[in-house]
Amino acid sequence: AQSVTQPDIHITVSEGASLELRCNYSYGATPYLFWYVQSPGQGLQLLLKYFSGDTLVQGIKGFEAEFKRSQSSFNLRKPSVHWSDAAEYFCAVVQAGGSQGNLIFGKGTKLSVKP
Amino acid sequence: EADIYQTPRYLVIGTGKKITLECSQTMGHDKMYWYQQDPGMELHLIHYSYGVNSTEKGDLSSESTVSRIRTEHFPLTLESARPSHTSQYLCASWTGNTGELFFGEGSRLTVL
Repeated sequence: AQSVTQPDIHITVSEGASLELRCNYSYGATPYLFWYVQSPGQGLQLLLKYFSGDTLVQGIKGFEAEFKRSQSSFNLRKPSVHWSDAAEYFCAVVQAGGSQGNLIFGKGTKLSVKP
Repeated sequence: EADIYQTPRYLVIGTGKKITLECSQTMGHDKMYWYQQDPGMELHLIHYSYGVNSTEKGDLSSESTVSRIRTEHFPLTLESARPSHTSQYLCASWTGNTGELFFGEGSRLTVL
């Protein structure tokens, strides 16, 4: 069965430090991949997506992610974290055989930012 | 900015009550979804609709039901709420133009 794994439940970084959130997926074909962010009490907002083409994708708020087929990974990065980036981050993949809105999500990584 | 609205945002009710969570979008999207989110857990798809009069169950079994009588409206109903239904319910709609799922702010349900 398809799955998305986010190995880190909680990460704390200092403001201004770099960030990498890990995501691994299981899917035989080329996946459609997403990263979403959820602030407390809010819905999810799309940060970036990968459908095809360039494996390094740029998103909003200075985030980027790199698709690595050989590692079945789609890690999210940001060179310099801001306090406002504290939130929960979800990686997702489109469900095989489903429409593009039928997503399978990871359990999320909660990001805390130290001053 | 996506225009998708959920009401109520927070609801505390007793066991056995009937509840309806409302979801409306003004973007004219055909595809709409309900996801359930428990704390510290992944989101699970419980219902979806590809258009008016179309509804399907998602991969997570749910005792809730949905209807889609109008494009913009996709309510979720629990006929008899139980404590096991305590969760956050997120509504979303999909645009093929940008390949994006737009989420509402969620309805957090607590059943006592």
